[in-house]
Amino acid sequence: QITLKESGPTLVKPTQTLTLTCTFSGFSLSTSGVGVGWIRQPPGKALEWLALIYWNDDKRYSPSLKSRLTITKDTSKNQVVLTMTNMDPVDTATYYCAHLYWLGLNPVFDYWGQGTLVTVSS
Amino acid sequence: QSVLTQPPSVSAAPGQKVTISCSGSSSNIGNNYVSWYQQLPGTAPKLLIYDNNKRPSGIPDRFSGSKSGTSATLGITGLQTGDEADYYCGTWDSSLSSYWVFGGGTKLTVL
Repeated sequence: QITLKESGPTLVKPTQTLTLTCTFSGFSLSTSGVGVGWIRQPPGKALEWLALIYWNDDKRYSPSLKSRLTITKDTSKNQVVLTMTNMDPVDTATYYCAHLYWLGLNPVFDYWGQGTLVTVSS
Repeated sequence: QSVLTQPPSVSAAPGQKVTISCSGSSSNIGNNYVSWYQQLPGTAPKLLIYDNNKRPSGIPDRFSGSKSGTSATLGITGLQTGDEADYYCGTWDSSLSSYWVFGGGTKLTVL
């Protein structure tokens, strides 16, 4: 079955760079049509999509955060890494990674990791 | 401010029916398929509906979806206390390059 798990620091200081790793199993990121995305959720607030990477290394970013984000994949390790530069307290959130796949006519996020809470504070 | 607009909250009694709306534009809902996600308290979101009205395996038929123009609707019948959750719509937006957008979420309270 498909599982994803996020890992990374729980606390980062303002201006630092955050690096999060999504380690997954049950699928390969070299399979046509597959992608992995990152979504975050500040405490008590809505989901916000951040970035995604496809099996063919096509990358998409949130327009509002594009300058701060980089997403990469390591197919051999079944991992996707997200980096976010210049962290600020408003970036405090639970960060999720999710499996993207074409269940039908559009790709959707059909499996999600449990999420990891990242707090930005000095 | 989310690109897709949802009501902040809805409520209904057990056994009743409720609908949750999701309003967008021609660059997102108007030209793409909508999916819906359920987030129970303290858990990760779960896919409920995709392609506007299809249910993944294991999702009961009490949950339904529809789309008309630039709006979509999630319907839940036979409400149960276990349905209390936040619900999010999502779709692709093609205004700049193709990217994903979520609604602001709707808190469902089963009274």
